[in-house]
Amino acid sequence: EPEVTQTPSHQVTQMGQEVILRCVPISNHLYFYWYRQILGQKVEFLVSFYNNEISEKSEIFDDQFSVERPDGSNFTLKIRSTKLEDSAMYFCASSEEVGLGAFFGQGTRLTVV
Amino acid sequence: KNEVEQSPQNLTAQEGEFITINCSYSVGISALHWLQQHPGGGIVSLFMLSSGKKKHGRLIATINIQEKHSSLHITASHPRDSAVYICAVRFSRGAQKLVFGQGTRLTINP
Repeated sequence: EPEVTQTPSHQVTQMGQEVILRCVPISNHLYFYWYRQILGQKVEFLVSFYNNEISEKSEIFDDQFSVERPDGSNFTLKIRSTKLEDSAMYFCASSEEVGLGAFFGQGTRLTVV
Repeated sequence: KNEVEQSPQNLTAQEGEFITINCSYSVGISALHWLQQHPGGGIVSLFMLSSGKKKHGRLIATINIQEKHSSLHITASHPRDSAVYICAVRFSRGAQKLVFGQGTRLTINP
């Protein structure tokens, strides 16, 4: 069964450093998403990406964050100048069309120390 | 504000019991998803509904559009069903994001 793959599964970084979280969406999917879940809280939408550009983003997704699809298979989330409060589980998801169900990756647990 | 509320927050039951988890939302939606999150954190999509009822194995999901309410039922529950069950909605046809409920932590004891 096709799946969304995220790497790494766990990343520890020092405050102020930049991190790149990587995702390989399902190959025929056209819509890509990043969500995050701070420990004990709801899953929150960050950004959606379609046709090589951001199609929707939340208030959380400020200039500290950026997304890229560098090579047609990977979909990355870059977080610059990480803060303690960026510690969370980050989920990548993809869907074939916007109205269809999204497939989620296993998540990357980011810990900022 | 577009909100999604689930109840109960925590549910403990004995193996074999019939389980119901509820989800209500504030305004009309284009689709509702039920998801399962295991202790390791990974999220698995169970159902996507826009009307009526869907069944997969021991899982049944229903939605009542007029009442803005959905339920997830598990028949003949088993300890391996223990997980967090999350309701998430897409609030309009053009919206791409899902808005999540806070989840229901289900524990099935043997």
